[in-house]
Amino acid sequence: SQQGEEDPQALSIQEGENATMNCSYKTSINNLQWYRQNSGRGLVHLILIRSNEREKHSGRLRVTLDTSKKSSSLLITASRAADTASYFCAIETGANNLFFGTGTRLTVIP
Amino acid sequence: EAGVAQSPRYKIIEKRQSVAFWCNPISGHATLYWYQQILGQGPKLLIQFQNNGVVDDSQLPKDRFSAERLKGVDSTLKIQPAKLEDSAVYLCASSSGQGFGNTIYFGEGSWLTVV
Repeated sequence: SQQGEEDPQALSIQEGENATMNCSYKTSINNLQWYRQNSGRGLVHLILIRSNEREKHSGRLRVTLDTSKKSSSLLITASRAADTASYFCAIETGANNLFFGTGTRLTVIP
Repeated sequence: EAGVAQSPRYKIIEKRQSVAFWCNPISGHATLYWYQQILGQGPKLLIQFQNNGVVDDSQLPKDRFSAERLKGVDSTLKIQPAKLEDSAVYLCASSSGQGFGNTIYFGEGSWLTVV
């Protein structure tokens, strides 16, 4: 399978806490991307990390990539109720060819 | 900049009927994708176009699904005849398509319910 697999499937936290989601994959990748999907909406690109990078930051987001373990994590710090959504990792194996995981459903309780 | 436009947003049809979805990508984006997202799952690529040519349609059920991208801009995805298991959100997306690591922009999706 070329898709990523997220863990946990669902996560519920209090506002202000940090949320960590993990993604594992099985193939070689060019890069790994994280997307957010609010209920009933399309996916929104959050961050991309290339295979030769180990860590990347964007605002309250921190992504790590360990290609030796074929895994990535997404950390959302100081979570807000508006962060409630499903988060998907997607691996890019060929140019512009993304394979998505099944997602982590994050609920942030105000 | 206008986003990826899709229509219709919602469609309910009976099994064995046909349905068509339309997508207008972001202006200038060479690569266009159709993904199928079943409730509770991640998006699955159905077909990828580069301009008006097909790059990957390996997961498109060609006995019932068809897609075209005339003139390398708009695209339509058709299902005929529909089955119950086709109930899903059909997401269109586009990217500038130059090399690796291009951001893919998604539309809001077309929700299909087959009854």
